[in-house]
Amino acid sequence: LAKTTQPISMDSYEGQEVNITCSHNNIATNDYITWYQQFPSQGPRFIIQGYKTKVTNEVASLFIPADRKSSTLSLPRVSLSDTAVYYCLVVKRAGGYNKLIFGAGTRLAVHP
Amino acid sequence: DVKVTQSSRYLVKRTGEKVFLECVQDMDHENMFWYRQDPGLGLRLIYFSYDVKMKEKGDIPEGYSVSREKKERFSLILESASTNQTSMYLCASSSLSTEAFFGQGTRLTVV
Repeated sequence: LAKTTQPISMDSYEGQEVNITCSHNNIATNDYITWYQQFPSQGPRFIIQGYKTKVTNEVASLFIPADRKSSTLSLPRVSLSDTAVYYCLVVKRAGGYNKLIFGAGTRLAVHP
Repeated sequence: DVKVTQSSRYLVKRTGEKVFLECVQDMDHENMFWYRQDPGLGLRLIYFSYDVKMKEKGDIPEGYSVSREKKERFSLILESASTNQTSMYLCASSSLSTEAFFGQGTRLTVV
């Protein structure tokens, strides 16, 4: 599985857009990029997944360039409740099981 | 609503005890996972199961074993608990085509 690298922490203010970039240089052809969010004292929860270009849902957008060696999670107009740890994972979606490897994640702190 | 249930939210055990952490999912998922989470280290995979009676080691399996006798249940066993196993333990499940769903976690303290 491709190893991922993301910043340890980020700070932002309410109402700003936050972009968290993840590097996955060894991503394979059948790998997808998946992001999870974890609030204190809770298990992580899935927020978005993509293969290439751009994916958007009600929570976030995910931008993946053509070479797929990195991806950027974009949170529009963050609020205090977006303070959490965000994890980037590379997962396989074809032919077999997914051994989900989380890293240390990016700790996002949103300030008033 | 999907559900992954861990048997205890908080647990205190003595050094040397055998400890069982139980996890049950109601989504008929093939995959189940056990992680531990320590401050600053993110989630580290202990063991993974992709089918009944099938298991695979994660990154930190030492001191742990697992059991999956039924599809819905995945147990983590600490054969002889030690203080360095004090941690938050998280169970998750997923199918081949869905994201992972996590339980609320078990905060284990070994004294």
